[in-house]
Amino acid sequence: QSALTQPASVSGSPGRSITISCTGTSSDIGIYDYVSWYQQHPAKAPKLMIYDVSNRPSGVSNRFSGSKSGNTASLTISGLQAEDEADYYCCSYTTSSTWVFGGGTKLTVL
Amino acid sequence: EVQLVESGGGLVQPGGSLRLSCAASGFIVNTYFMSWVRQAPGKGLEWVSVIYSGDSGGNTYYADSVKGRFTISRDNSKNTLYLHMNSLRAEDTAVYYCARGTNIGWYGDFWGQGTLVTVSS
Repeated sequence: QSALTQPASVSGSPGRSITISCTGTSSDIGIYDYVSWYQQHPAKAPKLMIYDVSNRPSGVSNRFSGSKSGNTASLTISGLQAEDEADYYCCSYTTSSTWVFGGGTKLTVL
Repeated sequence: EVQLVESGGGLVQPGGSLRLSCAASGFIVNTYFMSWVRQAPGKGLEWVSVIYSGDSGGNTYYADSVKGRFTISRDNSKNTLYLHMNSLRAEDTAVYYCARGTNIGWYGDFWGQGTLVTVSS
């Protein structure tokens, strides 16, 4: 159950777009379309942003989108806003009937 | 309105036990996949355990780091999820969140506010 691999940090200017990658294996991301993404602000509980690779829950801005290719999933945030500054985590179902998170990515809005 | 309220955290000595509770309102716990997720101080999220919905068999699964020491369960009459933690170690120190999934799988669409467990002598 090794953690999925995410970049430790990404940054972008307001109004621009950024993409956060999440790399797994053929035992998790590569075989299942059960990838979810979470946003977490300091001292707050995580918030679901994307589920099942590319679906947005009701109430989440359409500036957030998800995709997957092979063993790598991606979260793209367009039209960056100051309030998007947070930690982001990916998560995938695995062939062991468990779930695994990525190590997290700190997004800085410049 | 969906709400999840965790309780039961606190300071415990290494080797000790603790039971966390997650009281649910606004939905029936037995009809959803429910998970515990933890976050060590300053660290990332770590998935801990899941219990399937009753209709999906109520199966339980655990992360390797807690297998054999932690047990997830639910009390349908109290609409409450539990995490029984035994043989606690310093590395179990974390904020523990309960999170609701769907009735056929899990992704955390609703989360509690978390409860802090500190394992220290």
